[in-house]
Amino acid sequence: GENVEQHPSTLSVQEGDSAVIKCTYSDSASNYFPWYKQELGKRPQLIIDIRSNVGEKKDQRIAVTLNKTAKHFSLHITETQPEDSAVYFCAASPFSGYSTLTFGKGTMLLVSP
Amino acid sequence: DVKVTQSSRYLVKRTGEKVFLECVQDMDHENMFWYRQDPGLGLRLIYFSYDVKMKEKGDIPEGYSVSREKKERFSLILESASTNQTSMYLCASSTSGSGEETQYFGPGTRLLVL
Repeated sequence: GENVEQHPSTLSVQEGDSAVIKCTYSDSASNYFPWYKQELGKRPQLIIDIRSNVGEKKDQRIAVTLNKTAKHFSLHITETQPEDSAVYFCAASPFSGYSTLTFGKGTMLLVSP
Repeated sequence: DVKVTQSSRYLVKRTGEKVFLECVQDMDHENMFWYRQDPGLGLRLIYFSYDVKMKEKGDIPEGYSVSREKKERFSLILESASTNQTSMYLCASSTSGSGEETQYFGPGTRLLVL
């Protein structure tokens, strides 16, 4: 089955810096890659996603890039703010006929003022 | 606005007890999922259901079972709770389609098995 590796497990940055979280996946048939953000004590929520026919997608301060050849994708957050502090999960949707996701282990991002 | 609710936020049970965790969604979603979340291990899929009375095993189904008698409701059952099932349990739902659908999560149930 699909295996998703996520790095780093923790990331500390100063407010205003950029943050990058990287994920690799194993199933070359995977075609959908969402990112979820989970603030402390809250439920995970989708923040951005990318499909396999797209190399990059931006939404204000966040962007995701996908390299299908290398089977890796990354989340980029620019001009980080304290409210960006959370756990971020990447995921991949294996081509199984079902709408399941395989999640990475998560990255705890801490943005210090 | 999608709403996914779970029956309890916190639950304390004894080893060997039968435990029921319930999830309800109000958006007529076909797919429902149960995950457990442990520090450093991320979200791991236990079971999912793509229709009423249908269920499929996820990555870690051992020690769990599920029930989906109504479209809006998906139950996770721990037949005989053990201490290694102490965890945060998250339910999610999504529409069916191409596999690119957003999953909407419930608030989670933190289960402690003593």
